[in-house]
Formats: sequence, C-alpha cells, structure tokens
Amino acid sequence: NAGVMQNPRHLVRRRGQEARLRCSPMKGHSHVYWYRQLPEEGLKFMVYLQKENIIDESGMPKERFSAEFPKEGPSILRIQQVVRGDSAAYFCASSSEGAGVTFYEQYFGPGTRLTVT
Amino acid sequence: GQQVMQIPQYQHVQEGEDFTTYCNSSTTLSNIQWYKQRPGGHPVFLIQLVKSGEVKKQKRLTFQFGEAKKNSSLHITATQTTDVGTYFCAGRGSGTYKYIFGTGTRLKVLA
Repeated sequence: NAGVMQNPRHLVRRRGQEARLRCSPMKGHSHVYWYRQLPEEGLKFMVYLQKENIIDESGMPKERFSAEFPKEGPSILRIQQVVRGDSAAYFCASSSEGAGVTFYEQYFGPGTRLTVT
Repeated sequence: GQQVMQIPQYQHVQEGEDFTTYCNSSTTLSNIQWYKQRPGGHPVFLIQLVKSGEVKKQKRLTFQFGEAKKNSSLHITATQTTDVGTYFCAGRGSGTYKYIFGTGTRLKVLA
C-alpha cells in the first residue's frame, strides 16, 4: 500500500529555469494540498486541489507559480523562472476529504527539496 | 487573515520530564490536527480534534481542544528520546478548506 509519492526528492535549478514537482496521492485519495517549508520554519499553505479542480489557491503567489491535478496522473506544482527565494522544501499531502462536514487527516509525501543556484 | 501561533518555539527536556506545547488561533476553528516532523522528515499525522472541549489520549500523549475552539494543547508525559522532533498544530477555519499550520515547537530530549 504505497503512500504519497513525490519526485524528484531533490531538484537543483539555475535562476530563470523552470521547476516541476510531482505528487502522486495515496490510492483512493482525490484531494491534494501543496505546502512550502523553509528551514526551521512551519509549513505554508499554497494550494488545495481536487481532481481537475483548483479549490483554493490563496496561498500561492500570483506570478510564476501554478498547480494542477489532472484526471489521470500526478498533481504538478510548476514554478517558472525560479529565483533564489524559491529554494525550500515543497510537500504535498493527500486526503480523502470531500466537501462535507467530516474532516480527514492529511498524508504527507517525503517532499521535494528545491535548490536554486 | 487567520494566524496560528505555537509556544514555546523550542523546548529542551530531560528524558522522563513532561512536555507541553500550546497552539492559539486568531479565529475560531472547525477542527485542529496535530503533526510530528522528525529532522529531515515529513509531517506525520498524530490526531484530530473537532468538538469543543474535546480531549483525546494516545498512550503518553494528551491532546485538548479549547472550549472556544481557538486553542489547543499537546502534552507528553515522561518524554523519551523517540519523542524528539517538531510538533505542529494545523487549524482549519469555518467555511474554508485550507489548513494553517502553527509555527511549531521543536522538542529535544536529553538522555
């Protein structure tokens, strides 16, 4: 029973390049969260997606960042024209949550450590 | 916007001592979750609290949700070296899907 998978685990990009981070949720989960974590800091919410829908992207910068969760395949967090300040660990978490009143735990992937040189 | 603060930021304890971390939200929460993250690792779910005044126990860990659903605490009795890590609370406001994580409390246990 595979958990949440993220790849790559480590990604090095030069300033101005694009970074693509992938997240495969747990089997049966249709909801994905993306978080960003700087060293020694907490997790900052970026975006919440359901398959083929962006539910809440209020934590994501308007410029250069985008996310998708297609009907087939992993969720993708895309950062265009990366800058040094984008260096961080990016975690995704999946959940079986729906829009009802029941709340479900989030299962986190191992994260992608992005370094921008 | 919603903010979630945790205190203390760091805590060093001798093995066998108790430990408590407190989580305070600027707004009323629908539910609160607690996670543990080991150094270099990813957050791992510990517990979820939903009801006002709820108390849940997991072995040496006791979790509480305040009556006003704006604060929560995690208490560990008789800490062990395996308790080392950073403990985060994550609160979700009413009418929203996103979780706001607290600033975290980093626990070190001295053998």
